[in-house]
Amino acid sequence: AQSVTQPDIHITVSEGASLELRCNYSYGATPYLFWYVQSPGQGLQLLLKYFSGDTLVQGIKGFEAEFKRSQSSFNLRKPSVHWSDAAEYFCAVGARADDMRFGAGTRLTVKP
Amino acid sequence: GAGVSQTPSNKVTEKGKYVELRCDPISGHTALYWYRQSLGQGPEFLIYFQGTGAADDSGLPNDRFFAVRPEGSVSTLKIQRTERGDSAVYLCASSLGPPTDTQYFGPGTRLTVL
Repeated sequence: AQSVTQPDIHITVSEGASLELRCNYSYGATPYLFWYVQSPGQGLQLLLKYFSGDTLVQGIKGFEAEFKRSQSSFNLRKPSVHWSDAAEYFCAVGARADDMRFGAGTRLTVKP
Repeated sequence: GAGVSQTPSNKVTEKGKYVELRCDPISGHTALYWYRQSLGQGPEFLIYFQGTGAADDSGLPNDRFFAVRPEGSVSTLKIQRTERGDSAVYLCASSLGPPTDTQYFGPGTRLTVL
């Protein structure tokens, strides 16, 4: 059965530091992979998605993610974090509505 | 343009009562989804509409949950005989096409069952 694991429940980084949020998945076929961000009182917003092709995907707000099939991972990265990036981040995998699986999320805190 | 809107933003009800949660998708989006997000968890799929019909309702937890989209736009999620375990944030999303298209999420309705 498909599943998504985000090993880090909470991460704190200093403003200007680099960021990597981990995501590992289990899926029976080539997955569709997504990263969403959820700010307090806001809906989830898609940061980026991977279907096929180049394994390094660029998203909005300066985020990127790399698909590594051998490691079943889709980690999210940003070279320099801004205070406004503080939010909850969700990794998701799936190809149909009924098999979309979201991870439990990683809460990012940004220190000034 | 306007995004996905959900009303009410908060709903407090008593165990056993009936509630309705409303979702207004982005105009022109034919696909609409409902998810449930419990505290500390990611969204969990409930039901997916393509137009007026429920293309997939396999995520609805039991027959107390029902959703409609009679005119292919606004959708209502209905919960009968609410239980404390139904307390969660109910999220709605819409997209132009299939589920792998970008889904645009509403802010959610926080349901609390006392």
